[in-house]
Amino acid sequence: DTAVSQTPKYLVTQMGNDKSIKCEQNLGHDTMYWYKQDSKKFLKIMFSYNNKELIINETVPNRFSPKSPDKAHLNLHINSLELGDSAVYFCASSQDVILGSGNTIYFGEGSWLTVV
Amino acid sequence: DQQVKQNSPSLSVQEGRISILNCDYTNSMFDYFLWYKKYPAEGPTFLISISSIKDKNEDGRFTVFLNKSAKHLSLHIVPSQPGDSAVYFCAARNTGNQFYFGTGTSLTVIP
Repeated sequence: DTAVSQTPKYLVTQMGNDKSIKCEQNLGHDTMYWYKQDSKKFLKIMFSYNNKELIINETVPNRFSPKSPDKAHLNLHINSLELGDSAVYFCASSQDVILGSGNTIYFGEGSWLTVV
Repeated sequence: DQQVKQNSPSLSVQEGRISILNCDYTNSMFDYFLWYKKYPAEGPTFLISISSIKDKNEDGRFTVFLNKSAKHLSLHIVPSQPGDSAVYFCAARNTGNQFYFGTGTSLTVIP
């Protein structure tokens, strides 16, 4: 079973459309994330949710809206898509950290979004 | 502002030799460091990590070294194998459980 799964894996859409990427984790983690990998290969965090509450909201256009119906799901909705939104979007999850202990973040396989 | 940097976008190494991947960071509040490996069309997968209270962690062919004073860490792979060819991301975590990634180094191990 895939620990962090996201759909769709590939998405090609026209400018101006609205699209969603879904993510689910079956690891029982409390924190979920969306990362964007752009053409420069930089993995940049977009959002972080902990137990359905928004923790991090980096400088992301408000056309991007995450939604967490429960702590196992974090969906990404994008309105009015632009050419520059073309990227790979990775969902991830991690367990709450106890200060001083180790922790890792687990990634989904990525969703390749192409805006034409 | 990029807090984790990998200045070498690519590296080629002969099979059997040592691969050394480098990473620098700017935030002294990072307390945990990780290396991830990524194959094409897949998500990054966890490889090895090190706490800021240590300077070395070893797991089989993989060793991570941390130099806190220099804000530098490195991943050593020895001996390198063709299956190690992938993109390697360095990551750092702050006390708020936020993970920051470098831009990756593409490693090619030549048979």
